[in-house]
Amino acid sequence: GAGVSQSPSNKVTEKGKDVELRCDPISGHTALYWYRQSLGQGLEFLIYFQGNSAPDKSGLPSDRFSAERTGGSVSTLTIQRTQQEDSAVYLCASSSYEGYEQYFGPGTRLTVT
Amino acid sequence: SQQGEEDPQALSIQEGENATMNCSYKTSINNLQWYRQNSGRGLVHLILIRSNEREKHSGRLRVTLDTSKKSSSLLITASRAADTASYFCATDYAGGIFGKGTTLSVSS
Repeated sequence: GAGVSQSPSNKVTEKGKDVELRCDPISGHTALYWYRQSLGQGLEFLIYFQGNSAPDKSGLPSDRFSAERTGGSVSTLTIQRTQQEDSAVYLCASSSYEGYEQYFGPGTRLTVT
Repeated sequence: SQQGEEDPQALSIQEGENATMNCSYKTSINNLQWYRQNSGRGLVHLILIRSNEREKHSGRLRVTLDTSKKSSSLLITASRAADTASYFCATDYAGGIFGKGTTLSVSS
């Protein structure tokens, strides 16, 4: 079946603009994760959704970042008033349940100029 | 805070040699997972070891888990140039949180 997809694959935006990043998880996966990876760095956990439970937002770096997951499927990560330090690859992953094998999408490379 | 951390940060070996990388974690776990990330590409799941397992094999991969020391190791035997990648461990705590990874370089 189809894997995790993310769009856009690349996004260049001007500082101060808002951006939306989309993630389509594997059908039936109840857990969805967002991570950020800066150049040459490890993964930074951002937010986690599990079923209908309240999301774990503990990794969001500031209140400019928010995410939602509609209908338990597609998720959108929104960054408001982007800053240059937001430039990174944003990765989305899903798993059949919390703590199980995660399947990653190809990521969205965000560049803030 | 990160729940898993890998050691060493970087490792360079020759083809045919074995590569060992370690992971330490902080909380109790149900399982621990290892992932590989090739340059510029997404992460791929390699192996999952449950808390009641001490060792697990998958092809050229061998993973050990010591829950008393909260540590795990990943051994890649007879390494190949294609094994060049970054390797991450992840626990099942709070949605899976990753360390900074071990960057493995295998030269031919």
